[in-house]
Amino acid sequence: NAGVTQTPKFQVLKTGQSMTLQCAQDMNHNSMYWYRQDPGMGLRLIYYSASEGTTDKGEVPNGYNVSRLNKREFSLRLESAAPSQTSVYFCASSEGGVQNTEAFFGQGTRLTVV
Amino acid sequence: LAKTTQPISMDSYEGQEVNITCSHNNIATNDYITWYQQFPSQGPRFIIQGYKTKVTNEVASLFIPADRKSSTLSLPRVSLSDTAVYYCLVVSLTGGGNKLTFGTGTQLKVEL
Repeated sequence: NAGVTQTPKFQVLKTGQSMTLQCAQDMNHNSMYWYRQDPGMGLRLIYYSASEGTTDKGEVPNGYNVSRLNKREFSLRLESAAPSQTSVYFCASSEGGVQNTEAFFGQGTRLTVV
Repeated sequence: LAKTTQPISMDSYEGQEVNITCSHNNIATNDYITWYQQFPSQGPRFIIQGYKTKVTNEVASLFIPADRKSSTLSLPRVSLSDTAVYYCLVVSLTGGGNKLTFGTGTQLKVEL
């Protein structure tokens, strides 16, 4: 049981390049999330998907797009990377429902934009 | 979304009980309170959740007063390995799912 798997673990991009961060979960969870965490800061929600086929903006969606490909996979795309997007990106999933607030996180993707 | 306020940092010693209080004055009727722990270079890990009164599990207790405008995470007999950032979240059911929004957290440092 792998839980939440993110790829890649590390990435260096040049300004203006595009890339897609991949996330997959094998827990049959309904909800999935993408966060970014800058050094010394808390996590900020970029996008989330309450269920397959739905996505919604979080606190900092500008510069990102997402795709909930199926129940298992939720990808995050940077169309034109900027140095301000240098951060650690975490994907998470949860069963959903107010009475269950437990989310499981991936190991993170450390992205540097130069 | 209910805004949460918690101390930026706390210090403690091994074997002591640590209580971290979070304020959430505009919590809504159907919101739940949940706490996460994060170690450096790792994703957060769920600790405990509650709606009202007291909840206890194998690692922590959560105290929520009747007005639910605050909550207190209690860690009994902390050890060095409890040094981490602790996040208080107020979770609202939005569009069928939970919008988990993290604040800045409390950095707990445990010393010998």
